[in-house]
Amino acid sequence: NAGVTQTPKFRILKIGQSMTLQCTQDMNHNYMYWYRQDPGMGLKLIYYSVGAGITDKGEVPNGYNVSRSTTEDFPLRLELAAPSQTSVYFCASTGRGNTGELFFGEGSRLTVL
Amino acid sequence: AQKITQTQPGMFVQEKEAVTLDCTYDTSDPSYGLFWYKQPSSGEMIFLIYQGSYDQQNATEGRYSLNFQKARKSANLVISASQLGDSAMYFCAMRRPLFGNEKLTFGTGTRLTIIP
Repeated sequence: NAGVTQTPKFRILKIGQSMTLQCTQDMNHNYMYWYRQDPGMGLKLIYYSVGAGITDKGEVPNGYNVSRSTTEDFPLRLELAAPSQTSVYFCASTGRGNTGELFFGEGSRLTVL
Repeated sequence: AQKITQTQPGMFVQEKEAVTLDCTYDTSDPSYGLFWYKQPSSGEMIFLIYQGSYDQQNATEGRYSLNFQKARKSANLVISASQLGDSAMYFCAMRRPLFGNEKLTFGTGTRLTIIP
């Protein structure tokens, strides 16, 4: 049971480059999320999705885009990378269950130089 | 706006002692859920325990218990008989309302270090 899988685990970008962080889950969860975690800080919500074809902004969406064409996949696109986007990115998912706990991927460490 | 506050940036505790990690929250919604997550140095997020606002009893999961004081809006995590493997960052999080909105808001975390 793979759970939530994120790729890549590490990436270094130059300012102005673009990239996509991939996220896929095999638990048939409707809800998926992208969070970022800056050093010594908690997690901040970037974008989320309540189902295929539906996405919405979180607290810190600027500089990012998402799509949700299937239940399984929720890629995060960074356009024109900036040093402020240096962070660890977590993808998470949940189903409509008793507690709604989030299941997290292992994280993707992105550095923009 | 909902807010989660963790006032202890770091704590040092002797092995085998109990430890309480503080968490207070701010919401006017009567329906919400509270979560604790552990993040070891390897970086993954591990779910520990959940408390719903309508739950009558404090949640327990093995050595973890949640001291839920609704009137004071606090949801402290208690770890009994601490172990070296408990050294990690701990995050409190809230979901509001309880149903229909699955987003979690996280606190800034507490770094717990267990001393042998």
